[in-house]
Amino acid sequence: GQQLNQSPQSMFIQEGEDVSMNCTSSSIFNTWLWYKQDPGEGPVLLIALYKAGELTSNGRLTAQFGITRKDSFLNISASIPSDVGIYFCAGEFNMLTFGGGTRLMVKP
Amino acid sequence: DTAVSQTPKYLVTQMGNDKSIKCEQNLGHDTMYWYKQDSKKFLKIMFSYNNKELIINETVPNRFSPKSPDKAHLNLHINSLELGDSAVYFCASSQDRPLTNEQFFGPGTRLTVL
Repeated sequence: GQQLNQSPQSMFIQEGEDVSMNCTSSSIFNTWLWYKQDPGEGPVLLIALYKAGELTSNGRLTAQFGITRKDSFLNISASIPSDVGIYFCAGEFNMLTFGGGTRLMVKP
Repeated sequence: DTAVSQTPKYLVTQMGNDKSIKCEQNLGHDTMYWYKQDSKKFLKIMFSYNNKELIINETVPNRFSPKSPDKAHLNLHINSLELGDSAVYFCASSQDRPLTNEQFFGPGTRLTVL
């Protein structure tokens, strides 16, 4: 089946720093999604990308759908403590396939 | 106001038992899903139902049987529970055609098999 490689697996940063994470695949996807999961909760959709090359922002979050349709990145600017959580990319081609997650820790 | 709800939140049971997890969505979505999240946080789809019909059935043991009495509900029944079934199970739903992309997740059910 399709696999997504998400990196980094974890990040420990200082409040106010910018964050970047990405997902790559050997397969093409029609859609890329980015989710955030807080402890004890289900994943919450942050950004959805539908076109190759698309760049979309949601507040301090920016994500892009790679031109090759095989990758995507998510940037978080000026991180704050509530950004802590696990961020998942997900690619869609007939069904959603999730990356392994990036665990973000923010030091106040 | 809860969009996708699951019960119970926690489930602790003995090996060999049969248990069910319930899921309801009030979003009017046509498609519902079950996912399993293991201890390493990997999320993997198990089933997808569209308008009460099974669309996706990934490689899941026969002991797992989804049931959809109507399009707002998708329950998961598990027979003869095994230690390896311990995980967090998430229900999700999405609108319109099957396999559309913006899925909304429930809060999860943490299953522990002893």
